[in-house]
Amino acid sequence: ETGVTQSPTHLIKTRGQQVTLRCSSQSGHNTVSWYQQALGQGPQFIFQYYREEENGRGNFPPRFSGLQFPNYSSELNVNALELDDSALYLCASSPGGLGADTQYFGPGTRLTVL
Amino acid sequence: AQSVSQHNHHVILSEAASLELGCNYSYGGTVNLFWYVQYPGQHLQLLLKYFSGDPLVKGIKGFEAEFIKSKFSFNLRKPSVQWSDTAEYFCAVKANSGYALNFGKGTSLLVTP
Repeated sequence: ETGVTQSPTHLIKTRGQQVTLRCSSQSGHNTVSWYQQALGQGPQFIFQYYREEENGRGNFPPRFSGLQFPNYSSELNVNALELDDSALYLCASSPGGLGADTQYFGPGTRLTVL
Repeated sequence: AQSVSQHNHHVILSEAASLELGCNYSYGGTVNLFWYVQYPGQHLQLLLKYFSGDPLVKGIKGFEAEFIKSKFSFNLRKPSVQWSDTAEYFCAVKANSGYALNFGKGTSLLVTP
């Protein structure tokens, strides 16, 4: 059984640029959630995708957007990058549908915005 | 809005000492409760979870946690820690009908030989 994978591992961007992060869910999981973890903080929920639709969103601006594909993999897009966007971005997959319970995390993508 | 509070940000213990990490949350409805661990250089892993039933739940690697509904608490315990337990520990709460895991700020545990 393959766990959650994310790419790339590390990324450096400059302010104002756009970035796309990718996530492959664990086998058999159809729900994907994205989190932002700033240094020294716990992860903060960005949004969740189920059946290719966003079905829950945290307190993040619209420049954070996502997609889920028919194979349940997902992308997180961030436009107009700001310095405060520097963080570890975590993807988590879960087996259920809406409000799916246990989430399993990938290794994360470390984004640095200069 | 939900919030999760972890009382200890940094804990240092000697091997074989007992561990208790506090976690309190604020939410009036039914919740699912989790403890995750992040070992150095590794990703977040699930230690244990509580959905319903027996409020004392057992997880991997000898960890357990007790849900006390009246105190809105879900404290993590281990009777005897090992050097390999050195890690960051996160408490997380999800409303039973919700989507998001709400995490505490984490507790950094260092176990010395």
